[in-house]
Amino acid sequence: DTGVSQDPRHKITKRGQNVTFRCDPISEHNRLYWYRQTLGQGPEFLTYFQNEAQLEKSRLLSDRFSAERPKGSFSTLEIQRTEQGDSAMYLCASSNPRVDEQYFGPGTRLTVT
Amino acid sequence: GESVGLHLPTLSVQEGDNSIINCAYSNSASDYFIWYKQESGKGPQFIIDIRSNMDKRQGQRVTVLLNKTVKHLSLQIAATQPGDSAVYFCADTGGGTASKLTFGTGTRLQVTL
Repeated sequence: DTGVSQDPRHKITKRGQNVTFRCDPISEHNRLYWYRQTLGQGPEFLTYFQNEAQLEKSRLLSDRFSAERPKGSFSTLEIQRTEQGDSAMYLCASSNPRVDEQYFGPGTRLTVT
Repeated sequence: GESVGLHLPTLSVQEGDNSIINCAYSNSASDYFIWYKQESGKGPQFIIDIRSNMDKRQGQRVTVLLNKTVKHLSLQIAATQPGDSAVYFCADTGGGTASKLTFGTGTRLQVTL
């Protein structure tokens, strides 16, 4: 399968702990996006990379959140000092700059207890 | 702020009938629209897209119609099948490059036998 992959698929953590998620985009896609989705809602944009450069960040991305894409391939999203309100599905998507379609991975479901 | 929204939260149709899912957008600068299908526990799956220089675009069993005058788009699914049961989202890029998508809250399509 050459689609977008995310790891882990599920994460349960206690409030105050740090968590890190990984996204591997489709290999020829140089754009990578992170979104957050809560139950019953559509995904909300968090941040976007073109190659290794982080070009846009949402106001939703508080200082407890950090995303990296050091070599322009996979990306990580870290949440420090998790709060119960961080419980959500974290989705990664990638796209090819020649077309606008964004292709999503299966997501990482985070539960903060 | 400006947003993409949907008219109906749930749509129930009989197998074999045609389905129409509606979406209103408020950003007059929006020039690219995408429909996604999301099944439970999975990431959004790209269905079809349309640019603002088009009124209609057809895919396999799906058609997207865009009415820029009233800022409305719709997704038509022909001969709806049980496998079409999912939540459908419209999204747009707000007139810029495809750096982020703004999603609505979604319409749940239920296909009855």
